Order: sequence, then C-alpha cells, then structure tokens
Amino acid sequence: GAVVSQHPSWVICKSGTSVKIECRSLDFQATTMFWYRQFPKQSLMLMATSNEGSKATYEQGVEKDKFLINHASLTLSTLTVTSAHPEDSSFYICSAPGLAGSRDEQFFGPGTRLTVL
Amino acid sequence: SQQGEEDPQALSIQEGENATMNCSYKTSINNLQWYRQNSGRGLVHLILIRSNEREKHSGRLRVTLDTSKKSSSLLITASRAADTASYFCATPCPGFKTIFGAGTRLFVKA
Repeated sequence: GAVVSQHPSWVICKSGTSVKIECRSLDFQATTMFWYRQFPKQSLMLMATSNEGSKATYEQGVEKDKFLINHASLTLSTLTVTSAHPEDSSFYICSAPGLAGSRDEQFFGPGTRLTVL
Repeated sequence: SQQGEEDPQALSIQEGENATMNCSYKTSINNLQWYRQNSGRGLVHLILIRSNEREKHSGRLRVTLDTSKKSSSLLITASRAADTASYFCATPCPGFKTIFGAGTRLFVKA
C-alpha cells in the first residue's frame, strides 16, 4: 500500500520556539493531506486539511496562526507549531487519501511526538 | 469533532479470549473503517466495511455494521498479547476527511 512518512519522529523543544513537522507521501501524489493531534489516551482530533497550491482549511477551534500549514508540493505538507508552549505537547499525525483520491482509505504517517519544555 | 463513540473505553482480557468493541456514529455513511494503534505509534488500517454490507471477516477479525442503529462492532477472536493496542472506528466525511471515534484500549494478558 501507499506509504506516508513523517519527520521528525520526535522532537523536544523549549517554550517559545517554533517546530516544523514534515509529512511526505512516498510513492503517490497527494493534493490533500490531513493533520491530526492526539493527546495521551485520547482519540485523534482533526486539526486541518492541507491543500496543495491553496490555503489550508482549519477545524473549528484550531488557531491558524498557531499551526501554520504549507502544502508546497504534491508529496509534501508541513505543519509548523509557532511559539510552542507546553500545552502544545502532543502526538501529531498526518494522513493522505488513497490512490486516485479514493474516499475509502487514508494512509497515515507514523506520527511525530512533540514535547515542549 | 468526533463522529463516533466507542465502548468499552478499556477492555482487559486473557489471551485466547474474544474481544468485542462497539462503535456508534451520528451521520449517514458510505463506509466505516477500523484502525489499530499501538502505544505511541501510527495507525494501522484493519478493515473497511461498506454501508451495504452487514458483516465482514479478515483473519481473526469480524466486523458488523448496522446502519439502522448507526453502530458497528469489531470482534477479535482468539486474542493474543500482540493484539494489545487501541482500536478506533472511523467514518468518512465530505472532503475526504476521516473522523475518529473515541477508541477502545484493549489489553490482552498473556
């Protein structure tokens, strides 16, 4: 099946710094990617939809100036957590729809664990 | 926002026993999917059941779907310690989005 990678796998940063997380589709093109956040022992919460060549669309309650999303190419979306604070510590997961934009399956990255000190 | 609710929230069983997890959702769907997540790891797609299907099998997994009750169940037979993980149901939404249920944490004791 299709593969989605994320980088880095984990990151520790100081409060106030910005952190960039990359999501890549390795063997297929993805005009749309999704970013999720997962707190410990909780479910995945959709944060935003990343659209290649246009602005991301954010779910209600997600600050677009806090979580900057750039979908620079058909295989890469980046999420930048700006001025990170301890409450931003979480597990961030990206996904991309299956081949040919199939609604039936999403391919998920392995996730990035962010810890803000 | 989350589409589904799952129960139980946590389940602890002995190896060899069957584990059943339930999921309810709110809106009409074309399909429903189940995923597994090992602690601190990414998601693994387990099985997809379409709205016109009532039951589907894959190895030790059996999924049922009742669209009239807007519910689904995942049965894992002859559980193994390696089945210990969190299990999520997920439903598609417009724009290729996937919305997840709250999840069931399964612990299989060896």
